[in-house]
Amino acid sequence: DSGVTQTPKHLITATGQRVTLRCSPRSGDLSVYWYQQSLDQGLQFLIQYYNGEERAKGNILERFSAQQFPDLHSELNLSSLELGDSALYFCASSPTGAPYEQYFGPGTRLTVT
Amino acid sequence: GESVGLHLPTLSVQEGDNSIINCAYSNSASDYFIWYKQESGKGPQFIIDIRSNMDKRQGQRVTVLLNKTVKHLSLQIAATQPGDSAVYFCAEIPSQGAQKLVFGQGTRLTINP
Repeated sequence: DSGVTQTPKHLITATGQRVTLRCSPRSGDLSVYWYQQSLDQGLQFLIQYYNGEERAKGNILERFSAQQFPDLHSELNLSSLELGDSALYFCASSPTGAPYEQYFGPGTRLTVT
Repeated sequence: GESVGLHLPTLSVQEGDNSIINCAYSNSASDYFIWYKQESGKGPQFIIDIRSNMDKRQGQRVTVLLNKTVKHLSLQIAATQPGDSAVYFCAEIPSQGAQKLVFGQGTRLTINP
């Protein structure tokens, strides 16, 4: 158990809908990272927040957004969902703003039908 | 550019043998490398890391070797056990100060009894 929690574990929704994925980092960690894992793309970095502020952006679509709250938990919002958004979404946390020592949560499996 | 790839997508070894998983990278400025293990239905789990100023690092039953001349990284697992069955990913921080990890596609390690 990495200490990172993610909810929900599974999510099934229809195209065009919007969902919110939630992540709680390890106690004391200030950074949260979001990744998408699909069969044909591997693990793709989406976005990083550090102490409430956006720190780095990767291959995140404009339909996706994220935020980190004062208690350091983070939410990833996915809107106007398409079939191709079906994937595993992982969050990871690290103690500082640097991307070393990232600990991953168990993931949320999103299925868009 | 940023590119981390794996020589082989699958690897089968006999229980008790040593396993070697390879990874090539293309960016000579890459500063830091990590190996993750991902078991079915779980998030990636940190195994071992190595900085670019080192060429070898050992952990419990694992060794990471870094050859900067040929831009090659390997993970050696000694006395492979059934619990080592998983997908193994190498990841890199593509340059000093970069704020993200770039993951390779992964190698599936299967242990034969």
